[in-house]
Amino acid sequence: EIVMTQTPLSLSVTPGQPASISCKSSQSLLHSDGKTYLYWYLQKPGQSPQLLIYEVSNRSSAVSDRFSGSGSGTDFTLKISRVEADDVGVYYCMQSIQLPQTFGQGTKVEIQ
Amino acid sequence: EVQLVQSGAEVKKPGESLKISCKASGYSFSTHWIGWVRQMPGKGLEWMGIIYPGDSDTRYSPSFQGQVTISADKSITTAYLQWSSLKASDTAMYYCARGYCSSTTCYTASDHWGQGTLVTVSS
Repeated sequence: EIVMTQTPLSLSVTPGQPASISCKSSQSLLHSDGKTYLYWYLQKPGQSPQLLIYEVSNRSSAVSDRFSGSGSGTDFTLKISRVEADDVGVYYCMQSIQLPQTFGQGTKVEIQ
Repeated sequence: EVQLVQSGAEVKKPGESLKISCKASGYSFSTHWIGWVRQMPGKGLEWMGIIYPGDSDTRYSPSFQGQVTISADKSITTAYLQWSSLKASDTAMYYCARGYCSSTTCYTASDHWGQGTLVTVSS
């Protein structure tokens, strides 16, 4: 199965400052159909996960444009341009090019 | 509006059986994959398996194959996750999650999640 590795595992950010999370996969997530099956989810405290980004860089509906995704092949990044208090939680990357789908370990984002 | 409403929390003893549910509404149930994800206390997300209700095509993670059964009833737009003999290590929050579709293709990755069902297994 594909192993997803996130760094850092925790992040403390000052409101208004940027934040960045890295996700690396053990195999390329580029499919022969030309799409790359890498996703980002946020699980806020006490809530279900919510989809932020699909296929590397597409924001899900109602997701703030402060969130952006980038990368290719095996290296991916989620960036928050200006962190707000409501962004706290655990961020997960996930691949779906191959079953079983696998998640990264999660990155816990806290506000300083 | 897409909604996935899961059944309520359960407290069971080791060796007991259990079936939890996920009632879907607001979209075409038959044409979207629907899967299950485990989250053990204080831990991350683990993908368990998925079903395509249209033809009942079901895929399991090797970690969960033989440990659980995933099913769906199209007539009542409900997906299920069941155990025949629970263990204490099955104590976790379980989420159902719907696969998303583009204009031409449906995928296994999830865009909507249920609220979770907490399963506690203790003697």
